[in-house]
Amino acid sequence: GENVEQHPSTLSVQEGDSAVIKCTYSDSASNYFPWYKQELGKRPQLIIDIRSNVGEKKDQRIAVTLNKTAKHFSLHITETQPEDSAVYFCAAIRGSQGNLIFGKGTKLSVKP
Amino acid sequence: NAGVMQNPRHLVRRRGQEARLRCSPMKGHSHVYWYRQLPEEGLKFMVYLQKENIIDESGMPKERFSAEFPKEGPSILRIQQVVRGDSAAYFCASSLGDNQPQHFGDGTRLSIL
Repeated sequence: GENVEQHPSTLSVQEGDSAVIKCTYSDSASNYFPWYKQELGKRPQLIIDIRSNVGEKKDQRIAVTLNKTAKHFSLHITETQPEDSAVYFCAAIRGSQGNLIFGKGTKLSVKP
Repeated sequence: NAGVMQNPRHLVRRRGQEARLRCSPMKGHSHVYWYRQLPEEGLKFMVYLQKENIIDESGMPKERFSAEFPKEGPSILRIQQVVRGDSAAYFCASSLGDNQPQHFGDGTRLSIL
């Protein structure tokens, strides 16, 4: 079945620096890869997603890249701000079944 | 434009009791997914439903757990004879269809005494 690995588990950056979180997946049939941000005690919030027919997608300070051959996808946050501090989860859809398989999360801390 | 609505937000049960968690999907969404999250961990898929159908329940324990999404009303996740290990946050998500963005509710935090 699908397996999603996420690294690093914790990431600390200075305000204004960039942050990169990387994920790998195992199922070559997966074709949809969302990223969620979860603040403490709150719901996971969809921040960006990418489909397997594109290699990169950008939304203001957030970008996601996908390498289908290597089964890698990454989240890039530029000009980080303290409010970016949260746990970020990558996910991959399991084949065409519909449910998401999540990575274990990255706790991002942005220091002012 | 209401999002995914879950209730209750917090639920306390004693061992052996039943827990019922409710989820109303976003307007227009016909696909519902339930996930469980333990503290400091990621989300684990439990069950995927469409109206009156269970599409995939491979992530749900075979005993004590059941789910439904009736023609009318919210989706229900039911846990019978709860045990301490059932304590977790249970999140519901909904989507327009397969391979479409899933939007999450605020979750139900279940505590077992």
